[in-house]
Amino acid sequence: DSGVTQTPKHLITATGQRVTLRCSPRSGDLSVYWYQQSLDQGLQFLIQYYNGEERAKGNILERFSAQQFPDLHSELNLSSLELGDSALYFCASSVDVGLYNEQFFGPGTRLTVL
Amino acid sequence: AQKITQTQPGMFVQEKEAVTLDCTYDTSDQSYGLFWYKQPSSGEMIFLIYQGSYDEQNATEGRYSLNFQKARKSANLVISASQLGDSAMYFCAMRRGGSNYKLTFGKGTLLTVNP
Repeated sequence: DSGVTQTPKHLITATGQRVTLRCSPRSGDLSVYWYQQSLDQGLQFLIQYYNGEERAKGNILERFSAQQFPDLHSELNLSSLELGDSALYFCASSVDVGLYNEQFFGPGTRLTVL
Repeated sequence: AQKITQTQPGMFVQEKEAVTLDCTYDTSDQSYGLFWYKQPSSGEMIFLIYQGSYDEQNATEGRYSLNFQKARKSANLVISASQLGDSAMYFCAMRRGGSNYKLTFGKGTLLTVNP
């Protein structure tokens, strides 16, 4: 158990809908990262937050947004869902943004868009 | 741009034998970190080992060691005394210095340990 929690574990929804994925980082970790894992794209970085502020953006679609709250939990919002958004979404956390701090991953949320 | 290449889509190894999973990377940065993660069929990502670009010694963590050859830009994972539970996808990843701390992942290698 990495100490990072993600809910829900599975999510099945329809095209055009909106969903929210939730992540609680390890105790003491200030940095949260979101990744998407799909068969065709592999593991891709979406966005990073540090202590409530956005720090870096990757291949995140405009239909997607995220935030980190004062208690450091984070939410990833996916809207106008398409079939291609079906993927495993991971949240990871680290103690800070140092180069040599490993990121600990949550169990992931498997999103299926029908 | 950074790139991680894992050229072995799949590997087979006999139980109790050692196996090497290849990883090469491409970066112009001087400061970077290299990581290996394991993803069992259950889906979670498990951190195994990391190597900093300035580390002179190869990293080791139990049965895992990282064969770091900086000039060749390779960071191969060596698993000694393979166990059935080692069967999983293995991902090599890189993190650069500076302000962008994202991990860039390779496509992974599926390791199967045979009894």
